[in-house]
Amino acid sequence: SAVISQKPSRDICQRGTSLTIQCQVDSQVTMMFWYRQQPGQSLTLIATANQGSEATYESGFVIDKFPISRPNLTFSTLTVSNMSPEDSSIYLCSVETSGGAREDEQFFGPGTRLTVL
Amino acid sequence: AQSVTQLGSHVSVSEGALVLLRCNYSSSVPPYLFWYVQYPNQGLQLLLKYTSAATLVKGINGFEAEFKKSETSFHLTKPSAHMSDAAEYFCAVSGSGDYKLSFGAGTTVTVRA
Repeated sequence: SAVISQKPSRDICQRGTSLTIQCQVDSQVTMMFWYRQQPGQSLTLIATANQGSEATYESGFVIDKFPISRPNLTFSTLTVSNMSPEDSSIYLCSVETSGGAREDEQFFGPGTRLTVL
Repeated sequence: AQSVTQLGSHVSVSEGALVLLRCNYSSSVPPYLFWYVQYPNQGLQLLLKYTSAATLVKGINGFEAEFKKSETSFHLTKPSAHMSDAAEYFCAVSGSGDYKLSFGAGTTVTVRA
């Protein structure tokens, strides 16, 4: 298992600004993921962030809008750039601890609740 | 592509009654299936997972789920609901060749006293 913390837990931002969300894990993990959960919606994978390589983005998400850093095996950041009200969501970080097999579960952080005015 | 469909976006049950949450999957390969719970203002917590070892899977907090290949289903049940079960529940399936999870739309459970 893994214990994951995220900062900030929530924020209210003005449109056009950027917010960086931090994700810290209590153990070294290879795979980290960033999800978006829009109001009343399910989770959508934004990108996979593996240490030592560029993040891999899912269809509909681009690096210019959601730049990701993964400087080491316990930490990652997601930046939401040039925000608009449509970016108001919960952003969740998750990790996979067993090497990426299909049967392995992911462990989730508590989420960052972002409101853009 | 792998996907799951959760039938019913909201379920309301009385305390002590059966909880039944429905999930049907579509997968081009033998699926690995998961149920997660999200309590208000919290992240997701794994309830249980199916990895082909047994079709009836027992999880935490008294929940269990049965994998039925013939029905492509993985419904979640709990015999007796408790007030603390009020939360949102997500069914998920892993990708055909990797670890990525595809989530269902979620089912919100409310428990009436």
